Amino acid sequence: GAGVSQTPSNKVTEKGKYVELRCDPISGHTALYWYRQSLGQGPEFLIYFQGTGAADDSGLPNDRFFAVRPEGSVSTLKIQRTERGDSAVYLCASSSPGQGNQPQHFGDGTRLSIL
Amino acid sequence: AQSVAQPEDQVNVAEGNPLTVKCTYSVSGNPYLFWYVQYPNRGLQFLLKYITGDNLVKGSYGFEAEFNKSQTSFHLKKPSALVSDSALYFCAVRDAYNTDKLIFGTGTRLQVFP
Repeated sequence: GAGVSQTPSNKVTEKGKYVELRCDPISGHTALYWYRQSLGQGPEFLIYFQGTGAADDSGLPNDRFFAVRPEGSVSTLKIQRTERGDSAVYLCASSSPGQGNQPQHFGDGTRLSIL
Repeated sequence: AQSVAQPEDQVNVAEGNPLTVKCTYSVSGNPYLFWYVQYPNRGLQFLLKYITGDNLVKGSYGFEAEFNKSQTSFHLKKPSALVSDSALYFCAVRDAYNTDKLIFGTGTRLQVFP
């Protein structure tokens, strides 16, 4: 598989539970992005990693959301005390270095449903 | 602030006819513009980008886009639509001031009828 891989593809859980969403980027891509897409909307930025560090987390909606990328490859988005409003498709994208002119390549997303 | 607008929620076109999906942008500085397509239950697939150079950009699956600086537009076009082109299309602009994140429009649903 040469593309961005996201697991699980679907996650259903109850309000208040903790969830982890995983993203495996394209090999060699140093930049990794998380977006959230609500029904009928375009994706909205959450967080950006360059290597292991979060270079921009300005899109995280509150402190219940956290993401890591400890070895500069796989990333995990973590949501604590989930709320029904967190239901959305969470998309991960990666890109190769190139001063912003390289396209971001997206995974198929994780559809998160909070009951 | 950087932004893009897609004024049409849906575009309908007959197979074989030319199609246009509209996008206008607002940026500070030089725009980096992208078009993506999304099929049901899938992620976004990159179609094409404008960074600099020729105003007519050619991309995947026969799509092209025309950059117009005076009208701040970046419309997606295809000379002859296919039924399989039916999908959701997103225009995006790179946020030049903040770590290259993409700012997306609300999307346009393209429906191509046989």
